[in-house]
Amino acid sequence: DGGITQSPKYLFRKEGQNVTLSCEQNLNHDAMYWYRQDPGQGLRLIYYSQIVNDFQKGDIAEGYSVSREKKESFPLTVTSAQKNPTAFYLCASSTAGDPPTQYFGPGTRLLVL
Amino acid sequence: RKEVEQDPGPFNVPEGATVAFNCTYSNSASQSFFWYRQDCRKEPKLLMSVYSSGNEDGRFTAQLNRASQYISLLIRDSKLSDSATYLCVVNKGGATNKLIFGTGTLLAVQP
Repeated sequence: DGGITQSPKYLFRKEGQNVTLSCEQNLNHDAMYWYRQDPGQGLRLIYYSQIVNDFQKGDIAEGYSVSREKKESFPLTVTSAQKNPTAFYLCASSTAGDPPTQYFGPGTRLLVL
Repeated sequence: RKEVEQDPGPFNVPEGATVAFNCTYSNSASQSFFWYRQDCRKEPKLLMSVYSSGNEDGRFTAQLNRASQYISLLIRDSKLSDSATYLCVVNKGGATNKLIFGTGTLLAVQP
């Protein structure tokens, strides 16, 4: 089955701890994205990558880091510098069609202990 | 002003009703438009793209008015399974394919 997988489904972070969220896709999409969703707010873009070994900051990149060493994988690290990390994190990848269309993974819920 | 604005609802409608959602966007250079559906505590899923000529997919009809910067979604013969949050999404254009999401409109279809 083609699709986007995210793990874990739930993640607990202690104060001062870095945590890494996994995102893998087998859709052969070049572009991948990380969003954060908070209650009552629209999805907000954290980072995106249009091609392997390249990525760009989105609207709320502070306190986050990413890597894109493989086309299939785009992990997100939530660092201790992110002071309000509790949220629903969604990874997406995009077709190159017209219009380009984004498809989402099932998400990871991050909770701070 | 938000880049994409939607009425948050909730819209409570009986089964079989017709319901319409509206959305406005602020960037006139926006190039593509979508409706996504999001179930509670799940990821958004693409419902349909929206084209200037209007497009229909079964009970769902989407319309785009570029002059008014307005997007709509009409759901006919509502089913219980249509209960979800509907997200209006706009692609800002350019090479980055950045999407701007509305906060969503909650639909609750009642038996």
